[in-house]
Amino acid sequence: KQEVTQIPAALSVPEGENLVLNCSFTDSAIYNLQWFRQDPGKGLTSLLLIQSSQREQTSGRLNASLDKSSGRSTLYIAASQPGDSATYLCASASGGSYIPTFGRGTSLIVHP
Amino acid sequence: GAVVSQHPSRVICKSGTSVKIECRSLDFQATTMFWYRQFPKQSLMLMATSNEGSKATYEQGVEKDKFLINHASLTLSTLTVTSAHPEDSSFYICSAGGIGERAYGYTFGSGTRLTVV
Repeated sequence: KQEVTQIPAALSVPEGENLVLNCSFTDSAIYNLQWFRQDPGKGLTSLLLIQSSQREQTSGRLNASLDKSSGRSTLYIAASQPGDSATYLCASASGGSYIPTFGRGTSLIVHP
Repeated sequence: GAVVSQHPSRVICKSGTSVKIECRSLDFQATTMFWYRQFPKQSLMLMATSNEGSKATYEQGVEKDKFLINHASLTLSTLTVTSAHPEDSSFYICSAGGIGERAYGYTFGSGTRLTVV
C-alpha cells in the first residue's frame, strides 16, 4: 500500500525566500503525482500534476519535480509571498485503483 | 478547467439526525467519485470510491450503513451521514475524475464542514 510522507510538517519563512517542500512515496510504480494547495477550512486546489513519464512541471513561480527511482517529489516555490501561506499536499496515484494517496501536508506561513 | 461543486459548505446538525452532502461535476462527466474525510491537522483519508451506477466501495473501517453513498448519475454523487453523532464531526471532501483522470488528475470540491451537536 502506498505511503506518502511530507517534510517539513510546518514552515515559516519571511517574504521573498525560495522554498522547497518535500514529498516521498514508498511505491515507485506511480501513475502520477499531484500537488495541491489547501487554505484553512477550504477544499483542495490543484497546483501541478506530473505524469510518471515526466520529470517536472512548472506553473508561474511553482516548479515540481519527480524522481521515481528515489521515490521523491519536490515543490519549489520561488520568491515566496504572504499569499502563498497555506497547506500544501502531495498525492500519488499508484496500483490498479488509480486512487490518490495523500501525505499529511506542509503548513506554510510566509510573513511580510 | 474541470469544476466540482460541493454543498453545503457548512452544516450543523443535532445528534441522531441525518445529513446529505452533494458533489457535482459541473463541466465534465465523472465516472469515478471519491469521498474523503479530514480531521484537524490530518491528511485526507479515503472513505469510499463510487462509480456511476454501481455500489460504492468502502475503505476498511468505514461503516457503509452509516455513510451512504449514491452515484446515480455521471454528474452527481451524494454522501449521507445517517444518525450522526459528535464523533462524525469532520471536514468531508469529494473528488471527481472523468475520462482521462489518470492523465489529468482529480478535481476536488470545496469541502463540507460538518458539526454534530
